[in-house]
Formats: sequence, structure tokens, C-alpha cells
Amino acid sequence: KAGVTQTPRYLIKTRGQQVTLSCSPISGHRSVSWYQQTPGQGLQFLFEYFSETQRNKGNFPGRFSGRQFSNSRSEMNVSTLELGDSALYLCASSVGLRNEKLFFGSGTQLSVL
Amino acid sequence: GDSVTQMEGPVTLSEEAFLTINCTYTATGYPSLFWYVQYPGEGLQLLLKATKADDKGSNKGFEATYRKETTSFHLEKGSVQVSDSAVYFCALSGRMNRDDKIIFGKGTRLHILP
Repeated sequence: KAGVTQTPRYLIKTRGQQVTLSCSPISGHRSVSWYQQTPGQGLQFLFEYFSETQRNKGNFPGRFSGRQFSNSRSEMNVSTLELGDSALYLCASSVGLRNEKLFFGSGTQLSVL
Repeated sequence: GDSVTQMEGPVTLSEEAFLTINCTYTATGYPSLFWYVQYPGEGLQLLLKATKADDKGSNKGFEATYRKETTSFHLEKGSVQVSDSAVYFCALSGRMNRDDKIIFGKGTRLHILP
């Protein structure tokens, strides 16, 4: 069974640009969560999607958005990039909402110059 | 709100040493508790979990006991190996409502020297 796949693996952008990250969950998993990982803050929750609906949202500005498609694949978008957005963005999937075992992808490393 | 506090790293030990990584939590109700591990260049993976007080989670020689009275879930291993070098995250999942998210601590980096 394939694991959680995130693309691209690395991204370099400049301030003011926008970026879209992609996540394909494990087959059969309907919940997808996104986390931002930085050395100083650790893992911070961005949002969670289930059946194409955002079910929970963390404390991030509106520049961070996401969506989920009918096949459970998810994308997150960051507009008007800032230097502080440089981080590892991790996607995690689980079978259902409130399923307590998360399966993580390897992440997308975003560098904003 | 719910939160997780774990000891700051990095923690550096010699091979075969005893490991303890402290984790305490604040939560309403009775959360489930987890330890996740992140090896270099990879995403997190679940190491062990405990869902109620006095439960002991264990996996790969690691153990952690859910202590409600001290709101703790310390990770222990009797004899660490170089391959245990990774970042360890303590986490909780609240049960107050169906939409509760999983909250992670900031992570503790572990270095094991041969």
C-alpha cells in the first residue's frame, strides 16, 4: 500500500509569490491534515479536511488556504509569501475524522528568499 | 486550551544508555496520548499510544505510561541504539468534541553516539 505522497519535495520561491503544495493520502483515507514544522515552533496545525470540507483550522493568517478533492487528495496554497513562511510542510492522512493514528508524508521543504 | 510540553533537546547519549524524554500535558477531559518519531528526511510516524490512565504504550523497546495524576507521558528506553537518533514528538488528542485536532509538542532531538 503506497504511503502519503507529497509533491514537490523542495520548493524555492521569492517573497510575494504564491505556492501550491499537493498531498495524496493513503488509499481509503478520507481525512487529510496539514502541519507547518519549523525549528523554533515545532509542529503547528494548519487545517484538516474530511470529505472535501474543512473541519478544523489552526491560527494561521488567511494567506494559508487549502482544499480537498473528491478523491481525498488535498492541496494547500500560500499567497503573498513571506520570509517567515520558510518551513517544512507536512501532510498527514487518517482513515476517518478523529482517527487518532496519523500517517505522515515526507513533507515539502519550502524556502522563501 | 490543550497543550503539550516536552523537554528541550538536543539529548545526547552513548549507545546502550537509558533514555527518558519527559512530556507533560494540559487537557480538558481524558485525552489519548502519543509518541511520534521523525527520522532524518522523513515524516513523522506513530511510535506508541495510550488511550486511558495507567495504560502503557510500547513499541521497539520504547515505553510510556499514561499518568493522569501527574499529567505526564514520559518516553523511556532501557538501552538506546545509534539507529534511535531522531526527533521525538509527544502529542495528545482531545476527546471533548469530534473535531478536536491532534496537538504536538515541539519535539526533542535525540543523538546517540556509538
